[in-house]
Amino acid sequence: SYDLTQPPSESVSPGQTVRITCSGNNLGTKFVSWYQQRPGQSPVLLIFLDTRRPSGIPDRFSGSNSGNTATLTISGAQAVDEADYYCQTWDSRTVVFGGGTRLTVL
Amino acid sequence: EAQLVASGGRLVPPGGSLRLSCGDSGFNFSTLSMNWVRQAPGKGLEWVSYISNIGTTQYYRDSVKGRFTVSRDNSKNLLFLQMDSLRGEDTAVYYCASGTYCGSDCYYFDSWGQGTLVTVSS
Repeated sequence: SYDLTQPPSESVSPGQTVRITCSGNNLGTKFVSWYQQRPGQSPVLLIFLDTRRPSGIPDRFSGSNSGNTATLTISGAQAVDEADYYCQTWDSRTVVFGGGTRLTVL
Repeated sequence: EAQLVASGGRLVPPGGSLRLSCGDSGFNFSTLSMNWVRQAPGKGLEWVSYISNIGTTQYYRDSVKGRFTVSRDNSKNLLFLQMDSLRGEDTAVYYCASGTYCGSDCYYFDSWGQGTLVTVSS
């Protein structure tokens, strides 16, 4: 089975930039999506097709994917960005999620 | 965009059965592929099952194969998950989510319901 690995936690100061990584074997050959889940809420799609943002998602969220690593970048982090972030891909007719990264904005 | 509401979660003993439902108040449910995704308390997201827009194709994670069955009724805009032989490790919030193909090897979830809690315990 295919595995995606994320760091359990990251922290960032308000207004600074944070990068959340997602690693997998030859991940750059697959398409990656990212989701934000605030405490007590359902997940929300942030990024799809590695780099694309759905309408309504602020442009401070961006994505990239190359080699074995996909990256979600939050530029100018805000207090409202404190949440869990999950990467996701599709492999052999199954959906794979990363373990999630808890972002603290302090 | 789908407007999804999951329901049916409750306390059930090990070995028991439960059927979850997910309704969509939108207008294009029959065009959407649908999924169940679960989240155990304090844990991450875990995909459970997929069903194509007309219900002819289903996929499952290995740990639920042979125990869970996904189905849908497009005439009523409803998605179901029949869960049998439930185990403690099935305890989780279960979300329904619509998905979109973005290529032959690309799939993502564009709308999520609010989740329903299933607790498997004696």
